[in-house]
Amino acid sequence: AAGVIQSPRHLIKEKRETATLKCYPIPRHDTVYWYQQGPGQDPQFLISFYEKMQSDKGSIPDRFSAQQFSDYHSELNMSSLELGDSALYFCASSSLAGVHTQYFGPGTRLTVL
Amino acid sequence: KNQVEQSPQSLIILEGKNCTLQCNYTVSPFSNLRWYKQDTGRGPVSLTIMTFSENTKSNGRYTATLDADTKQSSLHITASQLSDSASYICVVSAKGGGNKLTFGTGTQLKVEL
Repeated sequence: AAGVIQSPRHLIKEKRETATLKCYPIPRHDTVYWYQQGPGQDPQFLISFYEKMQSDKGSIPDRFSAQQFSDYHSELNMSSLELGDSALYFCASSSLAGVHTQYFGPGTRLTVL
Repeated sequence: KNQVEQSPQSLIILEGKNCTLQCNYTVSPFSNLRWYKQDTGRGPVSLTIMTFSENTKSNGRYTATLDADTKQSSLHITASQLSDSASYICVVSAKGGGNKLTFGTGTQLKVEL
């Protein structure tokens, strides 16, 4: 069965650069969530989208933005990267229809040098 | 391969009743196990976090158990309320390698009158 796809899997950037992370949800899923997990920390909820509209916002910095496109994939744009942005970024998808089971992608590991 | 399996996938109970959600994992080496409550489209709320040496941990009407030998955890909800309707996600962390998390797909709980 198809799973949530995230790209790239690994990304190395320097301070003040920008990065774009992509998430491709499971087909027919309409809701996408983004999480950030720093080393040794709990995953922190960043933002979620339902039907291409923002449905909830967590601890997402103003330097970050995200959107969901017409094909339901989502992109997390990160600008003016800081060392503290180094983390594992998870994307998850679910469908409001049915059981609402949330499926997580493998994550993108971002390293800011 | 590290896996986390939750059961049941969905559950409907009457208000005031108790219920127990299950989580089985194959993550190794084990670091800790977390239970989250998440409303659809919203960020997750941490309920409990348990390490290898902890067997039981409570948070109000939520009680989590952990059997590290059988690699099983349960989340017991007592005197359920309508507001308990949500997805409950089990997340297991592995030692080393940046504390990689393995997410369960969640149990969707609906509490009815």
